[in-house]
Amino acid sequence: DTEVTQTPKHLVMGMTNKKSLKCEQHMGHRAMYWYKQKAKKPPELMFVYSYEKLSINESVPSRFSPECPNSSLLNLHLHALQPEDSALYLCASSRGEGGNEQYFGPGTRLTVT
Amino acid sequence: EDQVTQSPEALRLQEGESSSLNCSYTVSGLRGLFWYRQDPGKGPEFLFTLYSAGEEKEKERLKATLTKKESFLHITAPKPEDSATYLCAVPGGGADGLTFGKGTHLIIQP
Repeated sequence: DTEVTQTPKHLVMGMTNKKSLKCEQHMGHRAMYWYKQKAKKPPELMFVYSYEKLSINESVPSRFSPECPNSSLLNLHLHALQPEDSALYLCASSRGEGGNEQYFGPGTRLTVT
Repeated sequence: EDQVTQSPEALRLQEGESSSLNCSYTVSGLRGLFWYRQDPGKGPEFLFTLYSAGEEKEKERLKATLTKKESFLHITAPKPEDSATYLCAVPGGGADGLTFGKGTHLIIQP
């Protein structure tokens, strides 16, 4: 089973709202990732968690706050977003660091109004 | 800086018309090259990993190959359901997130 699940599938939020995106995998993977994908663009890395520790933060604005409660779960907390943050947010997981293939979830389509 | 360049940006083929997609890369110490398929509004679907020059992998109508500078995704006798965006990616820099090319948007016409 190579399934990564994400909830919700769609999210509409105002610029003053606080919301969270959730991601789950049960493949025993020890690395998890958040990517942002704008229309007709490739995914762009936001955060990497390796063994439940944040190892990379690609200079993402602080209005995005990741959290990894355990090795199977990954959250992305959203606060005071801007309309330009509207995008498809993708979660992925891999066995660990070092060039292992990543498996992606279906994404959360976020619209900021 | 690691770079991944895909060509063509878009490709329209007739059903059954074979072709190849290109992914050229410049990385310091390749730790894998990955191919993904992405349908509109969905997450990328993993297809292949290639690690060393000369390596080939196949899956149904798709075959991926790797040289020291580029990778090819060969599509043999494609069907309309092969229509998608095909992305190649490499582990980026000192991080283990992926750096993606811009993708090839493939359309197979019946």
